[in-house]
Amino acid sequence: DAKTTQPNSMESNEEEPVHLPCNHSTISGTDYIHWYRQLPSQGPEYVIHGLTSNVNNRMASLAIAEDRKSSTLILHRATLRDAAVYYCIGGATNKLIFGTGTLLAVQP
Amino acid sequence: EAGVTQFPSHSVIEKGQTVTLRCDPISGHDNLYWYRRVMGKEIKFLLHFVKESKQDESGMPNNRFLAERTGGTYSTLKVQPAELEDSGVYFCASSQVQGWNYGYTFGSGTRLTVV
Repeated sequence: DAKTTQPNSMESNEEEPVHLPCNHSTISGTDYIHWYRQLPSQGPEYVIHGLTSNVNNRMASLAIAEDRKSSTLILHRATLRDAAVYYCIGGATNKLIFGTGTLLAVQP
Repeated sequence: EAGVTQFPSHSVIEKGQTVTLRCDPISGHDNLYWYRRVMGKEIKFLLHFVKESKQDESGMPNNRFLAERTGGTYSTLKVQPAELEDSGVYFCASSQVQGWNYGYTFGSGTRLTVV
């Protein structure tokens, strides 16, 4: 499983885009990059995942660097409900290896 | 569709007692996982069921923990006897297809406090 590195915390203003970075320099060629988030008092929630190409879904976009050593989760318009801990996870097993994640604060 | 349901949502027990946590996965999801976060630590994998079979139980901390999934539907996680260090939040997740590339759905967790 790839070791991932994320900033401990980030701040954003409501309705502005947010770019959450993740470094995963040890990722192998077949490891997917997953993002989960955990809102207060809830379980982790799947956000998005990708392998090489950039990915979009209704929640977010995932931009993966060409060398795959880093990726960025993009929330296009942050809302107060997006305040959560965001986890970037790399690997190719059935186990999710959670790190400490990035605590995103959204200011009104 | 109904999500992953866990109960109780909270449990407070005394050291040495037994507690059983229950998880109802999304209907039709053969894969069921248990995770936990103990105080101040990261969320850690405990084990993985495929239907009623334990696929991977490498994360189970010791033999005081017993997970079952009889009939391949709901699962229980029993802690006997509970110790203070077992306090934390226990999460259950399920997925339809084996292989983590499809995303897991987590429950809201059971907060266990051992006093």
